Amino acid sequence: EPEVTQTPSHQVTQMGQEVILRCVPISNHLYFYWYRQILGQKVEFLVSFYNNEISEKSEIFDDQFSVERPDGSNFTLKIRSTKLEDSAMYFCASGLGQNGQPQHFGDGTRLSIL
Amino acid sequence: AQTVTQSQPEMSVQEAETVTLSCTYDTSENNYYLFWYKQPPSRQMILVIRQEAYKQQNATENRFSVNFQKAAKSFSLKISDSQLGDTAMYFCAFMNLNTGNQFYFGTGTSLTVIP
Repeated sequence: EPEVTQTPSHQVTQMGQEVILRCVPISNHLYFYWYRQILGQKVEFLVSFYNNEISEKSEIFDDQFSVERPDGSNFTLKIRSTKLEDSAMYFCASGLGQNGQPQHFGDGTRLSIL
Repeated sequence: AQTVTQSQPEMSVQEAETVTLSCTYDTSENNYYLFWYKQPPSRQMILVIRQEAYKQQNATENRFSVNFQKAAKSFSLKISDSQLGDTAMYFCAFMNLNTGNQFYFGTGTSLTVIP
């Protein structure tokens, strides 16, 4: 069964540095998402992406965040200047996008900011 | 804004027994879906079951079933004949069809099945 894959599984970065989290969605999916989960808190929506542009974003997704689908297979989340509070598990998801269709999640990338 | 509440941070159940995980949500919308996802330790989130808000009939998927009470905004998950492989974090999720397809998640319930 096809899966969403995320790399790396764990990323450790110094505060202020840029970080790129990578995801390969399921190949026939059209909608792509990033979520994050701060330790002990709920999973929160960051952004959705469709047709090479952002379709929805939350208040969390401010100017330090950006997403890109550079080559038709990868879907990346960039955090420009990381802060301590960016430490979290980041989940990528993809879906067909029709109303009510479930999203398929990757294993997540644990981001630790030092 | 939508909120999803899971009031049971941790639960345990004996193998082969039945357990019910609770979830309530708050919305003014009428057109939405509800989901339960399972996240085994160090594994990806896996869809367990889905419920359309416009359907009165409760969804079932093998040993998993829901009790969907739309007026009460309640969406509990019942796991029958619990198995060791059911040990996982369970997340309730709400999808509002009128504001895109993003999920709103609860904080999760950690379920342990005891042999």
